Amino acid sequence: SQQGEEDPQALSIQEGENATMNCSYKTSINNLQWYRQNSGRGLVHLILIRSNEREKHSGRLRVTLDTSKKSSSLLITASRAADTASYFCATGSQGGSEKLVFGKGTKLTVNP
Amino acid sequence: DVKVTQSSRYLVKRTGEKVFLECVQDMDHENMFWYRQDPGLGLRLIYFSYDVKMKEKGDIPEGYSVSREKKERFSLILESASTNQTSMYLCATRQGAFEQYFGPGTRLTVT
Repeated sequence: SQQGEEDPQALSIQEGENATMNCSYKTSINNLQWYRQNSGRGLVHLILIRSNEREKHSGRLRVTLDTSKKSSSLLITASRAADTASYFCATGSQGGSEKLVFGKGTKLTVNP
Repeated sequence: DVKVTQSSRYLVKRTGEKVFLECVQDMDHENMFWYRQDPGLGLRLIYFSYDVKMKEKGDIPEGYSVSREKKERFSLILESASTNQTSMYLCATRQGAFEQYFGPGTRLTVT
């Protein structure tokens, strides 16, 4: 069952602009994670935010979490052509489940 | 760095064949996962394992089985491959309730 839903499905921007992707989910979570996938490759973990955190930074990445709205956003600042990839959110549920549930992803294209 | 390897990057099999996809990790992680990824459907969990010889069904286990005889190796088995199992298969590992590490994926085509 899909938990996270990313929005938009696709995003095209120019190099240097900021890219914002959103993720909504349905049930209570323990943490929310963002992953990146280059075309035809495996996923790479970007950042994890716990349910008691509201904002987290890592380099050019900024993640926010609003548990009251069951939503998260990923901001990539000063985007580069190399940021072109698909981005997925994944939720880890409360209750000790070992599973992460992934959304369908946002395909980001950064034009040089 | 965690390394997760998958036995093949590309694989072409015929309908009805038994197919083995292997995943090996070098970080002594407890948890290992098999997903399939299809356009428009995202990643869907097939099976996962939290210990040697332990396995649990994910969201779409039908038509698949798994084997985990050693901690570092998690195999996905398609007992009788069908064309609707043509997909990208991704293996992942995790220690505790933290980030997952993915292999490069196997693109399987069943003809």
